Amino acid sequence: GAVVSQHPSWVICKSGTSVKIECRSLDFQATTMFWYRQFPKQSLMLMATSNEGSKATYEQGVEKDKFLINHASLTLSTLTVTSAHPEDSSFYICSARTSGATDTQYFGPGTRLTVL
Amino acid sequence: AQSVTQLDSHVSVSEGTPVLLRCNYSSSYSPSLFWYVQHPNKGLQLLLKYTSAATLVKGINGFEAEFKKSETSFHLTKPSAHMSDAAEYFCVVIDYNTDKLIFGTGTRLQVFP
Repeated sequence: GAVVSQHPSWVICKSGTSVKIECRSLDFQATTMFWYRQFPKQSLMLMATSNEGSKATYEQGVEKDKFLINHASLTLSTLTVTSAHPEDSSFYICSARTSGATDTQYFGPGTRLTVL
Repeated sequence: AQSVTQLDSHVSVSEGTPVLLRCNYSSSYSPSLFWYVQHPNKGLQLLLKYTSAATLVKGINGFEAEFKKSETSFHLTKPSAHMSDAAEYFCVVIDYNTDKLIFGTGTRLQVFP
């Protein structure tokens, strides 16, 4: 099946620094990628949707200047958490989809971010 | 609007016994439904997908789900649980209006030896 990778798998950073997380579709071209956030023992919360070559669409309540998303190619999307604070600590998961809305979203393994 | 309700937050079974994870959906048109599994500190893995073809959908690792329109249900089953099945399971529906996935709240499956 389709494979989506994320890098890094875990990261620890100091408060005030920025962290970049990469999401790659390894064996298919992803016209649309999604970024989710998951708090412990909770379901996934969609943060934003990005289409290749376009600006990301953010969900209500998600700060676009804090969570910068770039989808520069059909196989790569990046999420940059700028000026990270401890409350940004979470599990971030990306997913990728080929084209149509009914197409399956394939999820990456997630990135555990801890901000000290 | 589309939604899914997972009726059990926790399910515990003994190894070798059947698994039933319940999901009811609400949709104003024929839904696309998924079951995903998430092991601790991992991403989500697709178990199976229903998109208005056969009502009985077979997935990976021996799981299957049956779409029942009359009951608005899409329950996930497996005849015999393995220890490795212990994980969080999410029932998901596509919201065609927003092009987004709508997640259930999840069911944690515990498997005892």
